Amino acid sequence: SQQGEEDPQALSIQEGENATMNCSYKTSINNLQWYRQNSGRGLVHLILIRSNEREKHSGRLRVTLDTSKKSSSLLITASRAADTASYFCATMEYGNKLVFGAGTILRVKS
Amino acid sequence: SQTIHQWPATLVQPVGSPLSLECTVEGTSNPNLYWYRQAAGRGLQLLFYSVGIGQISSEVPQNLSASRPQDRQFILSSKKLLLSDSGFYLCAWSVLVTNNEQFFGPGTRLTVL
Repeated sequence: SQQGEEDPQALSIQEGENATMNCSYKTSINNLQWYRQNSGRGLVHLILIRSNEREKHSGRLRVTLDTSKKSSSLLITASRAADTASYFCATMEYGNKLVFGAGTILRVKS
Repeated sequence: SQTIHQWPATLVQPVGSPLSLECTVEGTSNPNLYWYRQAAGRGLQLLFYSVGIGQISSEVPQNLSASRPQDRQFILSSKKLLLSDSGFYLCAWSVLVTNNEQFFGPGTRLTVL
């Protein structure tokens, strides 16, 4: 079943602009993760934020988590053409399994 | 360092034919292993996961089965493929201790005609 739901489904921006993607979920979680997928390739883990964390940074990535609203956002600052990809949030409940959303397709135009 | 391999990269099979996709992990021991399917333009659906040799959990009823004959080998199989089995199949592993990120293989693109 799909738990994470990303918004928007697709996003097109100019190089240098910031890109914000949102994710909502329904149940209690242990952590929330963001992954990136280039077309036709496997997924690459970007960042993990635990349920007791509110914000996390990694390079040009900033992730926030609001457990009261059951939502998360991924911000990519100063986007580059190479950031063009699909981005997925995935929630981990208290177990070994990740539940993925349908993803946001990001296109960065140069 | 750890690596994960999947093969074949692409596969075209007729309806009713058998299937065997293989996934192997190097550089780690006792990993959790996962098989996902991704339909075009969609998210990932967990099909099977395994916490050890011979231990398989199925997430959705389907035409597929999985086996783990060795610690770092995970196989996805079908006796008779259906058109609806077409998709992008991804294998992933994670450290046995829970709540860690998963590491994905390059995937197999399966087309059933």
